Amino acid sequence: GAGVSQSPSNKVTEKGKDVELRCDPISGHTALYWYRQSLGQGLEFLIYFQGNSAPDKSGLPSDRFSAERTGGSVSTLTIQRTQQEDSAVYLCASSLTTGDFQPQHFGDGTRLSIL
Amino acid sequence: AQKITQTQPGMFVQEKEAVTLDCTYDTSDPSYGLFWYKQPSSGEMIFLIYQGSYDQQNATEGRYSLNFQKARKSANLVISASQLGDSAMYFCAMRGRSGSARQLTFGSGTQLTVLP
Repeated sequence: GAGVSQSPSNKVTEKGKDVELRCDPISGHTALYWYRQSLGQGLEFLIYFQGNSAPDKSGLPSDRFSAERTGGSVSTLTIQRTQQEDSAVYLCASSLTTGDFQPQHFGDGTRLSIL
Repeated sequence: AQKITQTQPGMFVQEKEAVTLDCTYDTSDPSYGLFWYKQPSSGEMIFLIYQGSYDQQNATEGRYSLNFQKARKSANLVISASQLGDSAMYFCAMRGRSGSARQLTFGSGTQLTVLP
């Protein structure tokens, strides 16, 4: 498809388990972002990748959160030892570059529920 | 630091009428971009319109226009001829050029309901 693809669309897991969320950006987009949207809240920045540069991890809420981007394309967000407060929709976005004001295009998100 | 303020948690508009959604911002970055996104109940985040801080003219995109007043630090979204399908949450967002300003900072959103 032409858009940002995220999987799974829904994930339910028990507290304490690890989860992996996947994002496949739009082809040719060098910048990739992860955001989190809690119920009734705006979007909270987590991390972004730009090409081969070191990622900006300034938004990650704790060391249980990590992300990687392999080959400059697909990214995986990993949450270890999940807590109930991690329940949220995790949105991935990509843009052509971060160097100018290219709009970010979002995937449909992964709805994560921690029991 | 960047901040976006949307003071209207909810708005109602009659079908076919125009509506303005308010957005004010604050930033120390001299160059920045302002964006509006639409999020229907299905959850996807849809890019609507963009305004650069140095753009001389207000951005327009179909029925969407951005009323940009730089001195007042406002970037209001105007939707003309509202349609039932416009009912959604609308987010104003901004990006700067430097450091942590490069990620999008979002406002809290305005829930728009278009009435038949």
